[in-house]
Amino acid sequence: AQTVTQSQPEMSVQEAETVTLSCTYDTSESDYYLFWYKQPPSRQMILVIRQEAYKQQNATENRFSVNFQKAAKSFSLKISDSQLGDAAMYFCAYRSPPNSGNTPLVFGKGTRLSVIA
Amino acid sequence: GAVVSQHPSWVICKSGTSVKIECRSLDFQATTMFWYRQFPKQSLMLMATSNEGSKATYEQGVEKDKFLINHASLTLSTLTVTSAHPEDSSFYICSAREGSYTEAFFGQGTRLTVV
Repeated sequence: AQTVTQSQPEMSVQEAETVTLSCTYDTSESDYYLFWYKQPPSRQMILVIRQEAYKQQNATENRFSVNFQKAAKSFSLKISDSQLGDAAMYFCAYRSPPNSGNTPLVFGKGTRLSVIA
Repeated sequence: GAVVSQHPSWVICKSGTSVKIECRSLDFQATTMFWYRQFPKQSLMLMATSNEGSKATYEQGVEKDKFLINHASLTLSTLTVTSAHPEDSSFYICSAREGSYTEAFFGQGTRLTVV
């Protein structure tokens, strides 16, 4: 079974600075998807960024980018120019490829990010 | 993006009563629904997966007779917590996916408090 590990329970960053959240995963599959979700105090799950394992290029979405290291099974999230609104719980998630059926997301335990003004 | 509406956002019920939580996909066909439970400051724990028109598949340790899941249409799934007890108090989140589409979309969650 696949597992996702987030080794940083809590992180903090100064406003306008850059922070990197770590995520590692374990799988025997060669094709899969990786996600970062943000859960603010409202507890609504918000997709931040997505990476397909077959793509070598790292995904980027505005201030958010990932460092995807397939061989190392590492998928870190970099938040640039941090804003107060970035304060939230961040979850790394794994999904098996669609041809493996309607598989659910496998979540890490999360990293709580605080942004200091 | 696609919208999933979950209702109610919060509910308080007395111990021994049943509570129904609805999850609706507003602009796509939710062929698969996932139900999660989340305790404070913890991650999402998958409770069950349901495909439209089929019985739900429950994760190990989840009581299927206590957490009844119905997915009778492509836009609606319900989770009924039967004979609720204080230990069932939690945050419940649904997620819906259309076909083999990569992404699943989340409802806003329901905070259940059993008193």
